[in-house]
Amino acid sequence: AQSVTQLDSQVPVFEEAPVELRCNYSSSVSVYLFWYVQYPNQGLQLLLKYLSGSTLVKGINGFEAEFNKSQTSFHLRKPSVHISDTAEYFCAVSARGGTALIFGKGTTLSVSS
Amino acid sequence: EAGVTQFPSHSVIEKGQTVTLRCDPISGHDNLYWYRRVMGKEIKFLLHFVKESKQDESGMPNNRFLAERTGGTYSTLKVQPAELEDSGVYFCASSQARWQAGVQYFGPGTRLLVL
Repeated sequence: AQSVTQLDSQVPVFEEAPVELRCNYSSSVSVYLFWYVQYPNQGLQLLLKYLSGSTLVKGINGFEAEFNKSQTSFHLRKPSVHISDTAEYFCAVSARGGTALIFGKGTTLSVSS
Repeated sequence: EAGVTQFPSHSVIEKGQTVTLRCDPISGHDNLYWYRRVMGKEIKFLLHFVKESKQDESGMPNNRFLAERTGGTYSTLKVQPAELEDSGVYFCASSQARWQAGVQYFGPGTRLLVL
C-alpha cells in the first residue's frame, strides 16, 4: 500500500518569493508521482508527473519537482510565485501498473502582494 | 475538446434521502474514476470503470453507494440512503488508456452536503 504526507497544510508567501511545497511518500513498490493543483471553483489540474528517467521534472506555470528516492520525497518548487498561483496543491502517488491515485491532504498556497 | 463535466455542482439533501451524481468523461476515454474528499481529509479513490465494467471498486465505502456506467459513456453515483458522513466533494476523472502516463483528467467536483 502507498501513502502520501504533505508536511504543510498552509504556506503563505509574498509575490515573487520562492516556494517549496513538501511531499513525502511511503510505498513498498515502485511508484509514479504527481502534483495536481486546484484553483478555486475548478477541478484538479495536473501540474507535473514523474514516471521514470530524470529526477528533475518540469511542469506547467514554471513549477518543477525533484524525485528523491532515498528520502522518498517529491517536493514541488517555484523560484518566483505570482498572485495567480494561489491554490490548493495535491501530491499523489500510484503504484506502477495500478490506476488508483493516492493523495496527500493538500497544501494551500496563499500568495499575497 | 470538452473536459470532464459533473452534475450537479452542489447538492444539499437531508439524511435518509437519495442523491444521484453524474459524470460525463472526456469523449473517447474508456477509463472513468470516482474519488471523494471529505472535509479536512485527503481525496480518496472510490472506484474505476473500464468502459462499462467495474475494474476496481475497492474504495467504495459501503453498499449505500451504487455506481453505474451504462453504455460505457457517462457514469452515475447514487447514494441511498444518504448519511451525514457522506458529505464531501465527489470528483470524477477520466483517462484515455488504462495507464496513459498517469494522466487522469478531473472534473470540477460535486459538493454534497447531507443535513
